[in-house]
Amino acid sequence: GDSVTQMEGPVTLSEEAFLTINCTYTATGYPSLFWYVQYPGEGLQLLLKATKADDKGSNKGFEATYRKETTSFHLEKGSVQVSDSAVYFCALSDYSGAGSYQLTFGKGTKLSVIP
Amino acid sequence: DAGITQSPRHKVTETGTPVTLRCHQTENHRYMYWYRQDPGHGLRLIHYSYGVKDTDKGEVSDGYSVSRSKTEDFLLTLESATSSQTSVYFCAISEFTGGYGYTFGSGTRLTVV
Repeated sequence: GDSVTQMEGPVTLSEEAFLTINCTYTATGYPSLFWYVQYPGEGLQLLLKATKADDKGSNKGFEATYRKETTSFHLEKGSVQVSDSAVYFCALSDYSGAGSYQLTFGKGTKLSVIP
Repeated sequence: DAGITQSPRHKVTETGTPVTLRCHQTENHRYMYWYRQDPGHGLRLIHYSYGVKDTDKGEVSDGYSVSRSKTEDFLLTLESATSSQTSVYFCAISEFTGGYGYTFGSGTRLTVV
């Protein structure tokens, strides 16, 4: 079955540091890929997405490129802020039969940014 | 998000009692989902719905049932709560299936004692 593997956390960075959170996936079809962010006490919010190979998703300074050859979708940001402290989830959407698709999530990576 | 609300936000219940969680949407989206979130497991799909009265099981459906009698409401029922069902439960909606992403509710924190 489909699966998503992302780097274990927690990750602690100083403000303005460069961020990379690794994500690799296994899928039987041609999935769409997503990054979601969860701020403390809240639900998940879609951060960015890419629907086909070589697509780059971007939002709020975050970027991720759909790499089919390495089955990866790593999240990057050039300069993190304290307000970026959250849990980040990589996810894929793949066909699950009966005309529907389902999201499969990684386990999440907690990011803490210190001033 | 304003378009999806979960109730209650917090609940403590005793082992063996039935519990129903409600997800309500105002977006008229076709697809609705229930997930549970546990440390070390991320989010796991419990059940989902692809229309009124149309539901199917997810990865961790044992001990849970769902109902969707109206487009806007998707109910999750724990028939006889167990301590292993202590978790944070999230509802999500999507207008289309496929690569469009979901909108999540704020979650229900359920504690079974």
